[in-house]
Amino acid sequence: EPEVTQTPSHQVTQMGQEVILRCVPISNHLYFYWYRQILGQKVEFLVSFYNNEISEKSEIFDDQFSVERPDGSNFTLKIRSTKLEDSAMYFCASKNRGDSNQPQHFGDGTRLSIL
Amino acid sequence: AQKITQTQPGMFVQEKEAVTLDCTYDTSDPSYGLFWYKQPSSGEMIFLIYQGSYDQQNATEGRYSLNFQKARKSANLVISASQLGDSAMYFCAMRVNSGYSTLTFGKGTMLLVSP
Repeated sequence: EPEVTQTPSHQVTQMGQEVILRCVPISNHLYFYWYRQILGQKVEFLVSFYNNEISEKSEIFDDQFSVERPDGSNFTLKIRSTKLEDSAMYFCASKNRGDSNQPQHFGDGTRLSIL
Repeated sequence: AQKITQTQPGMFVQEKEAVTLDCTYDTSDPSYGLFWYKQPSSGEMIFLIYQGSYDQQNATEGRYSLNFQKARKSANLVISASQLGDSAMYFCAMRVNSGYSTLTFGKGTMLLVSP
């Protein structure tokens, strides 16, 4: 069964450094999402992406965050100047249609640790 | 704004018994969808079951069923014949049909299945 893949599985970065989290959504999917989950807390929406542009973003997704779909397969989340509070599990998700009953398929996540 | 409430931080069940995980929601949108995801200790998010607000019947998917009570705004997950592999965190999530299908998650319920 096709799946969303995320790399790396674990990223350790010094505070203030830039980090890029990578995702390969399922190939025929059109809608892409990033979520984060701070340890022990609920999953929070960051941003959605459709038709090569951001369609929605949360208040968490401030100017230090950006997303890109640089080619036909990758979908990246960049954090420009990381802070300690950016430490979290970051999930990429995708779905194939805008139908309301289509579930988002999640990757296994990237655990980001900021030192 | 949408809100999902999961009031059970943890639940215990014996193998082969059924268990109900509670989820209540709040939205002013008449059209919405409710999802349950499973998160094992390895961290990935696994889609389990979906219920649409206009669905006439409760959703079922193998050992998973959803007890959907629209008037009470509840969408409880029922797992029948629990297995040791069901031990995980379970998240209820809601998507409203306006917008781009972003999910709002509850805080989750940790289920432990004992032999």
